[in-house]
Amino acid sequence: DTAVSQTPKYLVTQMGNDKSIKCEQNLGHDTMYWYKQDSKKFLKIMFSYNNKELIINETVPNRFSPKSPDKAHLNLHINSLELGDSAVYFCASSPSLGAVNEKLFFGSGTQLSVL
Amino acid sequence: AQSVTQLGSHVSVSEGALVLLRCNYSSSVPPYLFWYVQYPNQGLQLLLKYTTGATLVKGINGFEAEFKKSETSFHLTKPSAHMSDAAEYFCAVSDHGSGATNKLMFGTGTLLAVQP
Repeated sequence: DTAVSQTPKYLVTQMGNDKSIKCEQNLGHDTMYWYKQDSKKFLKIMFSYNNKELIINETVPNRFSPKSPDKAHLNLHINSLELGDSAVYFCASSPSLGAVNEKLFFGSGTQLSVL
Repeated sequence: AQSVTQLGSHVSVSEGALVLLRCNYSSSVPPYLFWYVQYPNQGLQLLLKYTTGATLVKGINGFEAEFKKSETSFHLTKPSAHMSDAAEYFCAVSDHGSGATNKLMFGTGTLLAVQP
């Protein structure tokens, strides 16, 4: 069973559209994250949630709205997509907030291409 | 604020040769340092980490890294490269402040190619 799974794996869409990426973890972790990896492979945190509560919001445009219906799920909705949103988006989880210093478990990524 | 710099975006070695991937960090507090590996079309996996204690840390797949405070470095090494080591390697530092806002800051990655 995949520990952190995200869907879809690939997403191709037009500018201005709205799209969502879903993430689920079956590890029983309290904390989940969204990271963005740009074309130069630079990986930067966007959000973290702990038990459905937003903890970190790294000055991400408000077109990006994460939603955590329960602690096993963290979805990412993006409104009015722009060319610069093209990237690979990774979901990750850790047992707790402090456990970022232990180990993060990553999903396999969603490659978003905005045309 | 913490940051890491990885020297060399691409490194190529022959199978059986020494692997050396360089990472230097900047931190205003004693750092927590990590190496993650990303195989093609997969998410990142933890290779090893340094938090406190012994400065030479051993990870999975025969990799190790040494924390050198005087050089602000945390270079990753493996004595003998295998074809299966070909991947992207990321160094990261933790902003281990208040706990609630702990986050990892990653370097830009080094792509390791292993030639037969």
